[in-house]
Amino acid sequence: GAVVSQHPSRVICKSGTSVKIECRSLDFQATTMFWYRQFPKQSLMLMATSNEGSKATYEQGVEKDKFLINHASLTLSTLTVTSAHPEDSSFYICSARGRGVGNQPQHFGDGTRLSIL
Amino acid sequence: GENVEQHPSTLSVQEGDSAVIKCTYSDSASNYFPWYKQELGKRPQLIIDIRSNVGEKKDQRIAVTLNKTAKHFSLHITETQPEDSAVYFCAASGTYKYIFGTGTRLKVLA
Repeated sequence: GAVVSQHPSRVICKSGTSVKIECRSLDFQATTMFWYRQFPKQSLMLMATSNEGSKATYEQGVEKDKFLINHASLTLSTLTVTSAHPEDSSFYICSARGRGVGNQPQHFGDGTRLSIL
Repeated sequence: GENVEQHPSTLSVQEGDSAVIKCTYSDSASNYFPWYKQELGKRPQLIIDIRSNVGEKKDQRIAVTLNKTAKHFSLHITETQPEDSAVYFCAASGTYKYIFGTGTRLKVLA
């Protein structure tokens, strides 16, 4: 159980393109989804937290107009990197947590490797 | 701000030996401490977790200890195997947000 699917796994595109990444919880309802960015050999840095039906909460230094997050249902959140540039190239990973009182484990997607030429 | 320090950054052990990774957190409100294993280019996978009302938890070759007073928690892997080679991340969480450590690259030498 607790499977999170993330698509696409790899994107290579030209500078200026907008890229949409989907994160789905397949067998549970995800009340909260998280978007992380991971540079090579570095830790996971939280970009934003999204709750179903409400606006995402962005971490300090993350541009909300650059990284658009939509959490339209309990099983789907999307991250759109708008007008992507080479410095946006990175590994983007989503995670989801289900319902429950107190802290619940986060379950991660497979990640999306974004390369902007 | 909230911070999690993790040591060592790299660790090489002989197959069969034990490996210990240590983390220190700053937010006293943290009450949940998961450990993740990440292989190259793959998703982090939860391997064990501990809550603040418990001092130690064990699952086969893996154990985690927590010292709330010192704000330390550690991962112990016994009888290491080559397939244990990966990057390990600790995290601390107060409500729902994780603060991850910087990661430990574990290499188990056959």
